[in-house]
Amino acid sequence: QSALTQPVSVSGSPGQSITISCTGTSSDFGTYNLVSWFQQHPGKAPKLMIYEVSKRPSGVSNRFSGSRSGNTASLTISGLQAEDEADYYCCSYVGSSRGVFGGGTKLTVL
Amino acid sequence: QVQLVQSGAEVKKPGASVKVSCKTSGYTFTDYYIHWVRQAPGQGLEWMGWINPNNGGTNSAQNFQGRVTMTRDTSISTVYMELSGLRSDDTGIYYCARDVIRPHGGYALDYWGQGTLVTVSS
Repeated sequence: QSALTQPVSVSGSPGQSITISCTGTSSDFGTYNLVSWFQQHPGKAPKLMIYEVSKRPSGVSNRFSGSRSGNTASLTISGLQAEDEADYYCCSYVGSSRGVFGGGTKLTVL
Repeated sequence: QVQLVQSGAEVKKPGASVKVSCKTSGYTFTDYYIHWVRQAPGQGLEWMGWINPNNGGTNSAQNFQGRVTMTRDTSISTVYMELSGLRSDDTGIYYCARDVIRPHGGYALDYWGQGTLVTVSS
């Protein structure tokens, strides 16, 4: 199972909005809505930011939002803050009771 | 509060096996799937597999099939991941994580262990 495709890096200035894409094949995402997004700061365990495409866990800022169109899921961060600088990973159920992560995207806040 | 506490770092020789434990607390152990995720040095996250603590059912990524065994001990709310036939490229941090979606999981990993560094070196 190949990893989902994410841009290697994205950047934005404080206050701006950015979007990170996560692209798979039709067989990857299928009819499932089981896409999650994780934030990982250096040396730390990942943190769940979005699940089931667009749901936010309790405690996660509403500046983070998720969506999906066809074979591409997206994470949008609005009102960028310095603390948002981190690596971001998508993860999806891909059938046969298996999952896969994206390759990861490094977000730089300029 | 929910906690997942993993066993300590390991150094293994090529061809050996390693068994990592993940002790859970703060919730009903049998209600939530546990996933295992690997991160090689400087690399991204790699999904390894899951275990259903309720019945011991498991599934793993094709890359690990035949080499990974996931088990649980309900008496101590602990899951284990054993990886055999270790190679140098198995070096990395191994995480356990709870899947918040019930009853069958949905890759929404809301609580993570602190990670266990496994180093494979001759």
